[in-house]
This record gives sequence, structure tokens and C-alpha cells, in this order.
Amino acid sequence: NAGVMQNPRHLVRRRGQEARLRCSPMKGHSHVYWYRQLPEEGLKFMVYLQKENIIDESGMPKERFSAEFPKEGPSILRIQQVVRGDSAAYFCASSPGGTLTNYGYTFGSGTRLTVV
Amino acid sequence: DQQVKQNSPSLSVQEGRISILNCDYTNSMFDYFLWYKKYPAEGPTFLISISSIKDKNEDGRFTVFLNKSAKHLSLHIVPSQPGDSAVYFCAAANTGNQFYFGTGTSLTVIP
Repeated sequence: NAGVMQNPRHLVRRRGQEARLRCSPMKGHSHVYWYRQLPEEGLKFMVYLQKENIIDESGMPKERFSAEFPKEGPSILRIQQVVRGDSAAYFCASSPGGTLTNYGYTFGSGTRLTVV
Repeated sequence: DQQVKQNSPSLSVQEGRISILNCDYTNSMFDYFLWYKKYPAEGPTFLISISSIKDKNEDGRFTVFLNKSAKHLSLHIVPSQPGDSAVYFCAAANTGNQFYFGTGTSLTVIP
């Protein structure tokens, strides 16, 4: 029973390239959350998705960032035209239900994005 | 707009002693609080939680205390062990879709 799987673990991109981060939730979990941790900061909420639906994207930057969770396959966080300020650890979490206060999250190990 | 604050970036404690990690929050609507533990190069792992209807929750060596009037919670680890050395994040939520995390406290337990 694998946990939340994120890949790649490390991603290096040049400025202006695209970054695609993947997250497969735990088996039986249909709710996915993306968080970002900038250096010296805590985790900041980005987006909450269920299968084929974005439920809450209030933490997503308005430009260049998008997320999806298709019917089949992993959730994808996509960053277009990356800049140095996008360098961070991106964590995906999943939960079995939508009532947040009934559950903690299960986090993946994260993808460390470095923009050079 | 940091709604959850951990004002101590680091803490060192002798093995066997008590570790006390503190967390303050500003939003009185938060009604569920958690502590996560994070090792380097790994994702955070859930440690313990408390709802706002309680003021204490205990799980083995870990106890979380909640003081709603002061908007303060703390995590007590006793006795502390070297394997407890990690970064600890507190997080809070209301009925919304996200947790608000503090900036973390790095705990070092000295053998």
C-alpha cells in the first residue's frame, strides 16, 4: 500500500522552461492538495483538487501555474516559464475525504525544483 | 499574512528531558490543529492533532495542549529521544479546504 508518490524528487530547469510535477495519491484517496515550501518558510497551500475538478485554487499564483487531476493518472502541477523565485520544495498530499477536520493529510516526499 | 506562527526557529534539548514546542495563531475561526514532523528530504508526517473542543490530547510521549483564549498551542515530548530530532510544523484549519502551517521549529535532541 504505497503512500503518496511524487516524481521527480529533484528537478532542475533553466529560466523560461516548463516544470511538470507529478503526484499519485494514496490508494483510495480521491482528494489531492499541493503545497509549496519556499526557503526559510512554512508550507503554503496552493490548490485542492478532486478527480477532474479544481475545488480551491486560492493559493495558486495567478499566472504561469496550473494544476489538474485527470480521471486517469496522477495529478500534475505545471509551471510555465519558470523563474528563479519558483525554486522551492513542492509537496503533494492526499486524503480520503473532503471533510478536512476529520483527517490529517498524508504527504509525499516532495519535488525539489531548482531554477538556474 | 502568517496566521500560524512558530517563533522559535530552533530548540536543543538533552535526551530524556522534556521538549516544548510552541505555536500561536491569529484566526479565532480555526477549530482543528495538528503537529507534523519532518525529516530532511522527506515529506511531513502527521504526529498528533487536537480539536477546539478539547484542551489536551495525549499520544504516548506526545501531548498537545490548546489554549483557545490565548490562541496558543504547544507540543510536549517527554522523554525526548535523539530520533525526535526533526523539524516540527504546527498547522491549523477551520472548515475550509486548507491547512495553515507555521514556519517550523527545528528540534535537536542531544544524546
